[in-house]
Amino acid sequence: EVQLVESGGGLVQPGGSLRLSCAASGFTFTSYWMHWVRQVPGKGPVWVARMNSDGSSILYVDSVKGRFTISRDNAKSTLYLQMNSLRAEDTALYYCVRRDAGGGYYDLWGRGTLVTVSS
Amino acid sequence: EIVLTQSPGTLSLSPGDRATLPCRASQRITNNYLAWYQQKPGQAPRLLIYDASSRASGIPDRFSGSGSGTDFTLTISRLEPEDFAVYYCQHYVNTPWTFGQGTKVEVK
Repeated sequence: EVQLVESGGGLVQPGGSLRLSCAASGFTFTSYWMHWVRQVPGKGPVWVARMNSDGSSILYVDSVKGRFTISRDNAKSTLYLQMNSLRAEDTALYYCVRRDAGGGYYDLWGRGTLVTVSS
Repeated sequence: EIVLTQSPGTLSLSPGDRATLPCRASQRITNNYLAWYQQKPGQAPRLLIYDASSRASGIPDRFSGSGSGTDFTLTISRLEPEDFAVYYCQHYVNTPWTFGQGTKVEVK
């Protein structure tokens, strides 16, 4: 089955850290650019970060630059998001998303993992 | 940053009705790099339309997309019970890729 499964979310205090993981299966992970997208319930999704297929090109939304790091292990078909210096405004459901091979739209989403930043 | 505006925030319609959902961009969307997603409660968004008017795999033909430049529309020709959900537009012209705030299609 073609799927993305996120893990690693939870409750963390402001200033703390979390590492999210996304296990991909059912497709050739190395062929795809991967993104993280987050969503606060009731709001529209927000793009967070993206990495190209071999990991040589990375982009972040301005609000997480210097705090979040996206990475991937192609041998394990896994995408990661290291989140440091977390703030209350980082609280959201974090989705691992596959970018379509032929375009910039998202053709496969995971179910998401919830990150709550609160004291 | 390209801002996408979806208004109204809620559409109250009945099964069998035609739904017309607009999405307006703050700048021209080149190459029609605009997608539409459907999201149901407790689920991740699902791709419906890409490149403004191309249906994704497995999407029923009652869903169609149109538009160019700064004005785009998602049309559902006849609402089925499973179509009541939130719909988002998204551009992929340049970074940051952004989404609209969504239009909820609810049962009247």
